[in-house]
Amino acid sequence: QKEVEQNSGPLSVPEGAIASLNCTYSDRGSQSFFWYRQYSGKSPELIMSIYSNGDKEDGRFTAQLNKASQYVSLLIRDSQPSDSATYLCASEGYGQNFVFGPGTRLSVLP
Amino acid sequence: NAGVTQTPKFRILKIGQSMTLQCTQDMNHNYMYWYRQDPGMGLKLIYYSVGAGITDKGEVPNGYNVSRSTTEDFPLRLELAAPSQTSVYFCASSYKVDQPQHFGDGTRLSIL
Repeated sequence: QKEVEQNSGPLSVPEGAIASLNCTYSDRGSQSFFWYRQYSGKSPELIMSIYSNGDKEDGRFTAQLNKASQYVSLLIRDSQPSDSATYLCASEGYGQNFVFGPGTRLSVLP
Repeated sequence: NAGVTQTPKFRILKIGQSMTLQCTQDMNHNYMYWYRQDPGMGLKLIYYSVGAGITDKGEVPNGYNVSRSTTEDFPLRLELAAPSQTSVYFCASSYKVDQPQHFGDGTRLSIL
C-alpha cells in the first residue's frame, strides 16, 4: 500500500513567522509531488509542484524534495492569517492515480 | 475558462434514492477522478478514468458506479443511497498521471 503521511496538526505559528509543513512517502518510485491548500468548505487548490531534488520557490512558498530520505516539505515565509488552511501533500502513486496525505491543519495567529 | 464543473452543488436525498453527480471538464484532460471527503478527513478515491471508455475502482468504490463515454464527462452514480454516503464529493482531472489534478468546487450530499 503506497502511503503519504503528514502530521495532522494543528500547527500554530504567529503571523510573520515561517511555517514548516512536512510529508513522507512510501513509494520510492514516485517522481512527482504536489502541495495543495484547502480552505474549510472549499476544494483543494494547487500551490506547488516539485519533481526534482532540492528547493523550488514561488513567492512566499518553498517546496523541498529529498528523494533519498523520501520526504517533501513546504515552507511558508511571512505567514499570514489568510494562510490558515489544511495543506495536502500528494505524490504520483501506484496504479495510475495520486496518493494524497491526510493533510496538516495550519493556524496562523494574528 | 471553466475548468472542472460539478453539479449540483448541494443535494439532500432520502435513504434508498438514487442520483447522478455530474462532472465535466473543458481542459481536454485524459485523467478524471472522483473523491469523497468526510468532515475533518482526507480525500478518498472512489473511481478514476484514464480516458474515454476506461474506468477503474479506487479505494472506496462500493455503492457507486461511473461511466466515461466522452473525454469531457465523468458522472458518478449513487444507487440506493445510504447515510454512510453523506459526504462532500470532488471531481478532479489531470492531463497525465504525473501532472497536477484540478478540482471542481464539490457537491455536498446529505442522505437522511
